[in-house]
Amino acid sequence: DVQLVESGGGLVQPGGPLTLSCSASGFTYKNYAMSWVRQAPGKGLEWVSAIDRVGTRIYYADSVKGRFTISRDNSKDTLFLEVQSLRAEDTALYYCARLSGASGYDDVPDYWGQGTLVTVSS
Amino acid sequence: DIQMTQSPSSLSASIGDTVTITCRASQSIDNYLHWYQQKPGKAPKLLIFAASSLPRGIPSRFSGGGSGTDFTLTIRNLQPEDFATFYCLQGYSPPHTFGQGTKLEIK
Repeated sequence: DVQLVESGGGLVQPGGPLTLSCSASGFTYKNYAMSWVRQAPGKGLEWVSAIDRVGTRIYYADSVKGRFTISRDNSKDTLFLEVQSLRAEDTALYYCARLSGASGYDDVPDYWGQGTLVTVSS
Repeated sequence: DIQMTQSPSSLSASIGDTVTITCRASQSIDNYLHWYQQKPGKAPKLLIFAASSLPRGIPSRFSGGGSGTDFTLTIRNLQPEDFATFYCLQGYSPPHTFGQGTKLEIK
């Protein structure tokens, strides 16, 4: 079975950095694009970023461009999201999702992890 | 960026009813429209992809339609486990964008 397990969330001060990880299993990780989606408490879903299967084509939401960096390690079946200059509005549950194809451009998030909570507060 | 307008934001219905949720894109997205169901405290679950295709294991009472800019999610013969929040997602071009969500409650 496909499993995605996020980690790395926690309480962080405004302006601080954090790195989120997503450990994948149950499928051939290197063959699939991956993405991050977040959900602020009590709010809707917000698409954050996507990366193709080899890590060369990367896409970001305007709200995080320049502050967030998505990357992957195909030797460790792990997806990362480095977040910088955190703001209160970045407080959210961050989900890792597998995409249905390899490119990340127009693929469908088909499997999701349970999320890791990031709280930005002083 | 492509904007997605989803309606209604909330909906009350009874067991056995049929309900329809709509999503409108700010420009044509062909059939790159997907629907998700989310229950409280759980991750979203893919219900419909490519506007009208059902993933394996999704009951046939769920159906999707539309192309271009206007899309629908229809749930027939509502069951107790169907009450949740539903989101559309455009996957035509990055940045991908979700609709605002529709909360379906039991009347």
